Amino acid sequence: AQSVTQLGSHVSVSEGALVLLRCNYSSSVPPYLFWYVQYPNQGLQLLLKYTSAATLVKGINGFEAEFKKSETSFHLTKPSAHMSDAAEYFCAVAKGSQGNLIFGKGTKLSVKP
Amino acid sequence: DTEVTQTPKHLVMGMTNKKSLKCEQHMGHRAMYWYKQKAKKPPELMFVYSYEKLSINESVPSRFSPECPNSSLLNLHLHALQPEDSALYLCASSQDSGAGSGNTIYFGEGSWLTVV
Repeated sequence: AQSVTQLGSHVSVSEGALVLLRCNYSSSVPPYLFWYVQYPNQGLQLLLKYTSAATLVKGINGFEAEFKKSETSFHLTKPSAHMSDAAEYFCAVAKGSQGNLIFGKGTKLSVKP
Repeated sequence: DTEVTQTPKHLVMGMTNKKSLKCEQHMGHRAMYWYKQKAKKPPELMFVYSYEKLSINESVPSRFSPECPNSSLLNLHLHALQPEDSALYLCASSQDSGAGSGNTIYFGEGSWLTVV
């Protein structure tokens, strides 16, 4: 069965520092993986997705993620954090033929001035 | 236009009330979803409609009743809810095969429901 695990419920970085949010997946088949961001009191917005076309995926707002099959990981990174990046980030995997999403528990990113 | 519109944004209802949440998309998507999100938790799937037919019901209590009047609209009818049903209800849509083919699932801003 497909699932994702996000390591760290809360990550705090300084403005300008590297952002690294961790996601590991479990899947018996090649997975489709997604990162979503949720700003306070808003819905979810897609940052990027892995669909097997390329292992390094670039998304919006300067984020990227690398699919590593050997490590069953899909970590999200951004070279330089901005205050506006403060939000909740969810890693998700597509489940089944219907293709609905199974979410990780989320990681709250705080950015300090 | 990648937009899913939900109304109302906020709803307060009593335990004996009947109310509805509404969702609309004009992206030509044929799959629509209802998710429930409690505070500080990830979204949890409630229902999936595919080509206007209910295809997944994640064992949701019958006090939640979904309806898909046409390919652009999705409703969630609420009746006799409990205070623990208070949450953010997210509507979403995607192309017909959903994320299972790598399609993006687009989410609305959500409807905040408070049951008193």
